[in-house]
Amino acid sequence: DAGVTQSPTHLIKTRGQHVTLRCSPISGHKSVSWYQQVLGQGPQFIFQYYEKEERGRGNFPDRFSARQFPNYSSELNVNALLLGDSALYLCASSLAAAEQYFGPGTRLTVT
Amino acid sequence: DQQVKQNSPSLSVQEGRISILNCDYTNSMFDYFLWYKKYPAEGPTFLISISSIKDKNEDGRFTVFLNKSAKHLSLHIVPSQPGDSAVYFCAASGSWGLTFGKGTMLLVSP
Repeated sequence: DAGVTQSPTHLIKTRGQHVTLRCSPISGHKSVSWYQQVLGQGPQFIFQYYEKEERGRGNFPDRFSARQFPNYSSELNVNALLLGDSALYLCASSLAAAEQYFGPGTRLTVT
Repeated sequence: DQQVKQNSPSLSVQEGRISILNCDYTNSMFDYFLWYKKYPAEGPTFLISISSIKDKNEDGRFTVFLNKSAKHLSLHIVPSQPGDSAVYFCAASGSWGLTFGKGTMLLVSP
């Protein structure tokens, strides 16, 4: 069975641009969460979606948004990119909310 | 304010010995705790978890201990193997999302 997949693998954007990251969960998983990991830190929670509804949001500005589609895949959108948005963006899926399984991540570099 | 703390940035252990990774938390509302392993350029891999109603959970070479009164958990790896060398993250689950520590880099030498 395929694990969590994310695209693209790497991305380079310029300040002020917007970006869309994509995630496909493990088959049968209805919950998707997004995390941001900067160097030297643990992943930081951004959003959790379950059955296409936002169930939780971390301490991130409104420039960050997400949605979940009927097939449970998800997109994370970031507008007006800042240099500080450079990070590894991780998607995780789960059956139950607690045990989350992560994808390989998308490495975003903002120049 | 870090709600999940891993105070040891790194740990070195010889192959065959026990590795003990520690984690402290401050939020008493956390009800589930997890350990993840992460290699460079990969996403975190789930290792083992424990509910707040238990004090021990074992899976093969991995055992997690939870001391609720001390708000402390630990991951024991016995015996340690060179392939265990990675960054280990402790995570806690509350209302939604996981709260992670900063990680401990484990190096197991032959």
